[in-house]
Amino acid sequence: QSVLTQPPSASGTPGQRVTISCSGSSSNIGSNTVNWYQQLPGTAPKLLIHSNNQRPSGVPDRFSGSKSGTSASLAISGLQSEDEADYYCAAWDDSLNGYVFGTGTKVTVL
Amino acid sequence: QITLKESGPTLVKPTQTLTLTCTFSGFSLSTSGVGVGWIRQPPGKALEWLAFIYWDDDKRYSPSLKTRLTIIKDTSKNQVVLTMTNMDPVDTATYYCAYYSYPNAFNIWGQGTMVTVSS
Repeated sequence: QSVLTQPPSASGTPGQRVTISCSGSSSNIGSNTVNWYQQLPGTAPKLLIHSNNQRPSGVPDRFSGSKSGTSASLAISGLQSEDEADYYCAAWDDSLNGYVFGTGTKVTVL
Repeated sequence: QITLKESGPTLVKPTQTLTLTCTFSGFSLSTSGVGVGWIRQPPGKALEWLAFIYWDDDKRYSPSLKTRLTIIKDTSKNQVVLTMTNMDPVDTATYYCAYYSYPNAFNIWGQGTMVTVSS
């Protein structure tokens, strides 16, 4: 029942740039900031990007976020093997009066 | 250093009530702007937000689960408790609690606890 839509998968070779999209609506991405979470295999999610494009301390600068209208994107530049994980976008939804996560994207490093 | 840890039963029967406790350290739930949320993840599936409780006792619930959820806090014990009634096998999931604060994000997550619903 996710209201934020992401592609199920994305892949790239080491060093490549990978982009993940997140499509929402006016009640979520269109009117609130977007966060991105990284979930490494078998672990709890970790905040990767907040406020559309801000990296918490310790997050490598090869991760970047952007937002335009009712969509957002996460880019991974210089893809590394340790970036293989599931990535989720998220935002507050004013209509649902709740927090919504995206459908998730599995990134594979070839 | 902020840490959170979930605890509760690993197995519940259908129709039973699930009670999960989040015990945290490194922050106080009486501090303005702070909250604790619960999120779950069925095996192989996406994250789903369940509920929040804020420092001022404001509570928010997922609309789809609102009738089944109750969240409370015990500030003196640094604990947040989530109850979910009428459990069903589709509620089988890993349940996470997480620290929510500026900038309106789940900044720190617990390790999660796996709950299986089966007779």
